[in-house]
Amino acid sequence: NAGVMQNPRHLVRRRGQEARLRCSPMKGHSHVYWYRQLPEEGLKFMVYLQKENIIDESGMPKERFSAEFPKEGPSILRIQQVVRGDSAAYFCASSPTGSRNNEQFFGPGTRLTVL
Amino acid sequence: GESVGLHLPTLSVQEGDNSIINCAYSNSASDYFIWYKQESGKGPQFIIDIRSNMDKRQGQRVTVLLNKTVKHLSLQIAATQPGDSAVYFCAETYSGYNKLIFGAGTRLAVHP
Repeated sequence: NAGVMQNPRHLVRRRGQEARLRCSPMKGHSHVYWYRQLPEEGLKFMVYLQKENIIDESGMPKERFSAEFPKEGPSILRIQQVVRGDSAAYFCASSPTGSRNNEQFFGPGTRLTVL
Repeated sequence: GESVGLHLPTLSVQEGDNSIINCAYSNSASDYFIWYKQESGKGPQFIIDIRSNMDKRQGQRVTVLLNKTVKHLSLQIAATQPGDSAVYFCAETYSGYNKLIFGAGTRLAVHP
């Protein structure tokens, strides 16, 4: 059973460009979470999605950031018009449907660098 | 010994010694706690968890202690090995809340 997969692993963008980060949850998991980690800091929650629904986006900036988890395909975290402050590692986690609460499995992350 | 640098606090131990990593959590309503290990360039890896109805839980070479009175969590690693070198995070949440709240992290450096 493959773990959580994220791609790309590294992404370099210039200021003003768009960044698209993809996350494929573990097989059988329908809950996806996105977290951001700045260097030397802990992970900060951004958004929680189930298939075709955003459940909690309280940690996501109101502008330029959006997330989706379509019925088919991976979850996408999209950052428009990137700025240097968006440089960070973005981690996706997934949890299974109907399991005990809060058991989240993390992917390897996407490291975004904005030049 | 333990030192606080500009960023992550670092705990330095000798191989074979026991390590104790501490964490203060913030929300008295939190009822589920997890310790994660993060190696350089990788995502967090689950180590052990504990629910608030317990004070102690043991795994293989690891023990988590929970003191709800002072909102304190600790991770004990027995016979620390070089492969244990990583950053360790505690995370808290409560039933139905779903998102994890991570602590700042502690870097564990194991010296031969």
